[in-house]
Amino acid sequence: QSALTQPPSVSGSPGQSVTISCTGTSSDVGSYNRVSWYQQPPGTAPKLMIYEVSNRPSGVPDRFSGSKSGNTASLTISGLQAEDEADYYCSSYIGSSTWVFGGGTKLTVL
Amino acid sequence: EVQLVESGGGLVQPGGSLRLSCAASGFTFSSYWMHWVRQAPGKGLVWVSNINTDGSTTTYADSVKGRFTISRDNAKNTLYLQMNSLRAEDTAVYYCARRVGSWFDPWGQGTLVTVSS
Repeated sequence: QSALTQPPSVSGSPGQSVTISCTGTSSDVGSYNRVSWYQQPPGTAPKLMIYEVSNRPSGVPDRFSGSKSGNTASLTISGLQAEDEADYYCSSYIGSSTWVFGGGTKLTVL
Repeated sequence: EVQLVESGGGLVQPGGSLRLSCAASGFTFSSYWMHWVRQAPGKGLVWVSNINTDGSTTTYADSVKGRFTISRDNAKNTLYLQMNSLRAEDTAVYYCARRVGSWFDPWGQGTLVTVSS
């Protein structure tokens, strides 16, 4: 199973919005509403930010939102803050009790 | 507080073996599927393996199938990953994670495995 496709990097200024895409196929992202997103600041463990495409765990700011269209899921961060600078990964269930992650996107806050 | 703490990483020669542990606390360990995910230095996350609640069902990524074995001891609230026939490309930080629904939360802090002569 190949990794889901994410842009290597995105950037934005404080207060702006950025969107990170996660493209799969009809066998993974397109087949299941089981896409989740993780934030990983340098040197730390991943942290859940979005689950099941668009749900936000308690404690995650509502500046973070998720969506999906066809084979592509997206994470949007609005009102960008310096603390949002991190690597972001998407993940999708792909059937038969297996999962796949995206290649990761480095978010830089200018 | 829900917590996962990995241990057992280290330096091992190619072809060698290592067993990782993940100690769970703050939740009913026996009620959750558990996973291992790894991250090579400077690279992205890669799903490795998972195990169901009673240990009767396991699944592996093709890259580790036949070499790695996931297991759990619910009495000790501990998850394991036995890694045999290690290769240089297995060098990574290994994270354990609890699966809730279809997502992973929380993650442990990770343990570094280095395969080198």
